Parts: sequence; C-alpha cells; structure tokens
Amino acid sequence: AQTVTQSQPEMSVQEAETVTLSCTYDTSESDYYLFWYKQPPSRQMILVIRQEAYKQQNATENRFSVNFQKAAKSFSLKISDSQLGDAAMYFCAYRSASVNSGYALNFGKGTSLLVTP
Amino acid sequence: NAGVTQTPKFRILKIGQSMTLQCAQDMNHNYMYWYRQDPGMGLKLIYYSVGAGITDKGEVPNGYNVSRSTTEDFPLRLELAAPSQTSVYFCASSYHGLEAFFGQGTRLTVV
Repeated sequence: AQTVTQSQPEMSVQEAETVTLSCTYDTSESDYYLFWYKQPPSRQMILVIRQEAYKQQNATENRFSVNFQKAAKSFSLKISDSQLGDAAMYFCAYRSASVNSGYALNFGKGTSLLVTP
Repeated sequence: NAGVTQTPKFRILKIGQSMTLQCAQDMNHNYMYWYRQDPGMGLKLIYYSVGAGITDKGEVPNGYNVSRSTTEDFPLRLELAAPSQTSVYFCASSYHGLEAFFGQGTRLTVV
C-alpha cells in the first residue's frame, strides 16, 4: 500500500504571511492523484486542492497552491496571505488511478496549522 | 443539497453492544467508503463499495461489517463493540473517484 508522510505535526503562521506544509509519499505507480484536505474544528473534511500526477503544471486554487515534484515524490501545500479561517488540520492524501483500489484515499497523519493575529 | 448524511453524530456504547452507523448520499455516486479517524493517526479505510451489492475490505476491517443494497445507502455495522473501536467514523462517496465528499462524522465512544 502507498504510504503518505506528513513530517510536521504542527505549524504556525502569522496572519497575512505565507506557510508551506510538507507531504511525501511512496508509490511505484506512475498514474495517481494527490489531494490536500482541510479539517476545521467542525470535523468536516473539505477538499482544498487536487493534483493529477500526469500534469506537469502545479495546481492552484486562489490562495492555495502546490509544489508537485513527481521524481522526489513530494507534494507540498503553500498557503498565501494566511487568514484566521485557515486554522485547521490539513491532510495530504494519495489516490491510485487503478480501479482495483476502489479509488480509496490513503491519508497522512495530518498537520495542525495555527494562525496567529 | 444534502450530500452525504451520517447518523448519529455522537454515540456512547457499552462493551459488547452492537450498533449500525448510517450513511446516505443523494448524489448518485457509485463509490462509497467508511474511514475511521483516531487522534494523530489520520483516516484509515475500513470498507468500501464500488456499487450496489459489491463491497470490499480496506486497511482495518476487523470488527466491522457493511452492506450496500442500494446506491444511496452504505451502513456500517459494529458487532460486539470494543474500546479499540472508539474513534470518529467518516462516510464518503465519489463518482469514479473524481472527488470524495465526506459526511460530518460520527464520534463513537465505547466504555
């Protein structure tokens, strides 16, 4: 099974600053998808951004962008102009492109992001 | 739009009791999943289903059972609850894995 590693249990950022959350993964597959999910205190899982492995271009969604390094198996999330509402647990997740996996997600252990005024 | 609905939101069980966690989606998604989230451990896959009548085990299936008689519903059954099953349970659905939509979770405590 593919493993996803988030090496930063906690991160802190000041409002309006930029923060980068790290994620590495282990796979022998060439085609797959990577995701970042946000989980605020409400417990709801919210999709932040998605990256297809076959795409060279890094995905962006407003203030959120990724740095996808396929050879290094690295998938970091950059949050620009951080806001108080960004405070949450962030999970990196891997999804195989193979239907045999049921398209299930493999999650990392998460990074807790604190945003200070 | 309801999306993925889980019931109950909270439950306390005694050791050895049984219960069913309900999950329903109204998006006509073919894929459905059950995950559990333990503190500091991320989410782990319990069971999944690729369509009505088809289910398969995930990473941590022991102590659980599922069924999928309709496209909309995917209940998770706990038999003989144990303290190790204390966790937050999430149901999710997707259309061919394009994007997973999650329910709001069920916090289960076994005492």
